[in-house]
Amino acid sequence: QILVTQEPSFSVSPGGTVTLTCGLSSGSVSSSFHPSWYQQTPGQAPRTLIHSTRIRSSGVPDRFSGSILGNKAALIITGAQTEDESDYYCVLYMGTAVAFGGGTKLTVL
Amino acid sequence: EVQLVQSGAEVKKPGATVKISCKLSGSTFTDYYIHWIQQAPGKGLEWMGLLDPEDGETIYADKFQARLSLAADTSTDTAFMELSSLTSEVDAAVYYCAADPKGDSNYFRHWGQGTVVAVSS
Repeated sequence: QILVTQEPSFSVSPGGTVTLTCGLSSGSVSSSFHPSWYQQTPGQAPRTLIHSTRIRSSGVPDRFSGSILGNKAALIITGAQTEDESDYYCVLYMGTAVAFGGGTKLTVL
Repeated sequence: EVQLVQSGAEVKKPGATVKISCKLSGSTFTDYYIHWIQQAPGKGLEWMGLLDPEDGETIYADKFQARLSLAADTSTDTAFMELSSLTSEVDAAVYYCAADPKGDSNYFRHWGQGTVVAVSS
């Protein structure tokens, strides 16, 4: 079984830039996996940030961007704000199955 | 504005079946696939399966294949998730529905608010 991998945790200073990644336990992530990214704060439903590798959802600040870096999908936050402190999940479509990464807990301090 | 509104919290006994509804408003129901996602307390999100409301076709994650049933009522634009043989260790969680627009982009565009399921004797 192929697993979707994310960093368990990351820390960034306010105003800093952070890159969260989404990989596979075997193989490379490409745009054909339709990587998407979601933000979740405790007690809330997830919020859609990025889909189709790099397309921002409506209302998402432009400090959030997506790309493919090497063999992984990436979510880049440029100029992190304190309100960005959340859990971040990537999703990959793999044929007839869909898989979430384990999530990254981002701390902004 | 597209909204997904889920049914309320449930308390079930071990071995029981839970059925959760998810009603879409503000758009055409059959223009979306409806996915279901589980989140156990303090854990990450886990994909359970998806339903095409237009033809009833389903795809289930291996973990839930034996106990999960997804269906839809297009007359009320409502999707349903039924999970059987509940155990507290595995099934006590928040369940979300999410709408994935048909077409080239595959993602969860809209989310329901979540339904808490508790399993206790």
